[in-house]
Parts: sequence; C-alpha cells; structure tokens
Amino acid sequence: GENVEQHPSTLSVQEGDSAVIKCTYSDSASNYFPWYKQELGKRPQLIIDIRSNVGEKKDQRIAVTLNKTAKHFSLHITETQPEDSAVYFCAASRNRDDKIIFGKGTRLHILP
Amino acid sequence: DAGVTQSPTHLIKTRGQQVTLRCSPKSGHDTVSWYQQALGQGPQFIFQYYEEEERQRGNFPDRFSGHQFPNYSSELNVNALLLGDSALYLCASSLPPGDEQFFGPGTRLTVL
Repeated sequence: GENVEQHPSTLSVQEGDSAVIKCTYSDSASNYFPWYKQELGKRPQLIIDIRSNVGEKKDQRIAVTLNKTAKHFSLHITETQPEDSAVYFCAASRNRDDKIIFGKGTRLHILP
Repeated sequence: DAGVTQSPTHLIKTRGQQVTLRCSPKSGHDTVSWYQQALGQGPQFIFQYYEEEERQRGNFPDRFSGHQFPNYSSELNVNALLLGDSALYLCASSLPPGDEQFFGPGTRLTVL
C-alpha cells in the first residue's frame, strides 16, 4: 500500500547548524511532496512543497530535493534558529488536493 | 477571511459512545478532507468529501462516517468509540483542481 517512511524520528542540532530530514515513498503515482511543520498543540503548516517535475526547490533557509527514480526526498534547513524547533512531517500525494500520505514525523530540537 | 474552523476544540467520551465533529472550510473552498492524528504520529487520511459525496476513503472502518452539507461544511461521525480512537482529528479544505489543502486547528478527542 501507500507508505511514506521518514528518518530520523528525533534530531538535535546546534543553533546555526544545518538539519536534514530524509523520506522515501512507495506510490509511484505520487507527484506532489509537501513538508509540514507542526508546533505543539497546533495544526500542521505547509512550509514548502515540490512537484515531481522539479528536482530541487529553495525558499530562504529551507530547501527540498527530490529523486523520483529512487523515490527519495529530503528537507534541508540551514542556519537553524530556536524557532525552527518543532515536529516536521514529509508527505506524498498524487495531486495537491488529493489524499495526503504523511510520514511519522521528525522532532527537531535546536540547541542553544 | 476566516480560515478552516473546527468544533468542538476538545471532547471527552466513553467507550461505546458516538461522537460528531464539525468542520467549516475556508471561504471559497468546496472540498473537505478529514485526518486522524494519534499522539506522536503523522496524520492519517480518513476520507474526502466533494459535492456532498465521499470521493476517497482511507483504511478506516465503517464506524467512521461523514457528511458534507450544501454550504460545504462537513461532519465526521464515529460510532462505538474505542480507546484507540483517542486522537487529534484534523479537517482540511481545498478548491480543486490543484489547490493546497489548508488545515483547521483540530478537535482533540479523548475516549475513556
């Protein structure tokens, strides 16, 4: 069935360093790969997304890469700040308004 | 412009009871999706409603049912509640084709 695997489950990095979260997906028909940030007790917030016809996308300190052949995609956060501490979810979907299959999440801790 | 709203915010029920959760989509959106997020997990897709019909369904038992009204608002009903139904229930709305799904704040359901 459709599945998204996400690693690591917990990640601690020093403030100012980079953080990388990796995901794999199983559904070959997936074409849309969003990333969400969820703070404690809050709703998931879309922070960046990438479509299957694009290999890389960047938005300020956040970048995503996609290897459709290997079914891998990753989130890179550079120059991490305390407000980056949260749970991050990768996800895959066939279309932007289609059902979203989420990974289990990565709890990111930014250490002072 | 109001975003996605959900009610109630919190709910406590006992095993075997029935519950109804409500969602009002973002203004202009006509598609509503429901997700269940257990503690420490990623959201799982329950079903999606469009034009008052269930368009897609995830791997949830028939105890989970829904409805969409002509004004595009939606309800999620869960019968014969189990302890394992305790979770944050998220509603997301979108406007096909290809619009981003916007999440509501969720309803925290606790089953005792």
